[in-house]
Amino acid sequence: GENVEQHPSTLSVQEGDSAVIKCTYSDSASNYFPWYKQELGKGPQLIIDIRSNVGEKKDQRIAVTLNKTAKHFSLHITETQPEDSAVYFCAVNSGGSNYKLTFGKGTLLTVNP
Amino acid sequence: DADVTQTPRNRITKTGKRIMLECSQTKGHDRMYWYRQDPGLGLRLIYYSFDVKDINKGEISDGYSVSRQAQAKFSLSLESAIPNQTALYFCATSVGRTGSYGYTFGSGTRLTVV
Repeated sequence: GENVEQHPSTLSVQEGDSAVIKCTYSDSASNYFPWYKQELGKGPQLIIDIRSNVGEKKDQRIAVTLNKTAKHFSLHITETQPEDSAVYFCAVNSGGSNYKLTFGKGTLLTVNP
Repeated sequence: DADVTQTPRNRITKTGKRIMLECSQTKGHDRMYWYRQDPGLGLRLIYYSFDVKDINKGEISDGYSVSRQAQAKFSLSLESAIPNQTALYFCATSVGRTGSYGYTFGSGTRLTVV
């Protein structure tokens, strides 16, 4: 089955700095790569996603980059704010018609004021 | 009202008891999923259903069963709860059409087995 590795497991940054979280995957047929943000006491929420025909996607302060050859993708958050503090999960779909997602183990991001 | 509603939000149960976690959705999505979250282990798939007549095991289905009562309802049962099933459980839905893979999660059920 799909194997998704996520690093780092914890990340602490100063407000205004950038944060980068990386994931690697094993299934070369995977073609959908979402990122989820989980705030305390809530379910994960989709914040950005990218498909395999695109190398980079940006939405305001958040961007995702994908390197299909190397089988890794990254979440970039610029100008971090305290409200960015949360657990972030990457995920990968299985190729073909079975579109269930496999998640990374999560990264706890803390943005210090 | 939330798009994906899970009940109960919190539950404490005793070892050996049967317990059911319920999930209902108003998004009209075909696909529903049950995930379990443990600290340091992320989200692991228990069961998933692509429509009412389609039920599939995930990576950690042992000790669990599910029922898809309707397109909008997907229940997870622990037939005989054990302490290592203490975890945060999430239900999720997705549209199912090609190109629409994003999940919508419920707020979770925190289950403690004592």
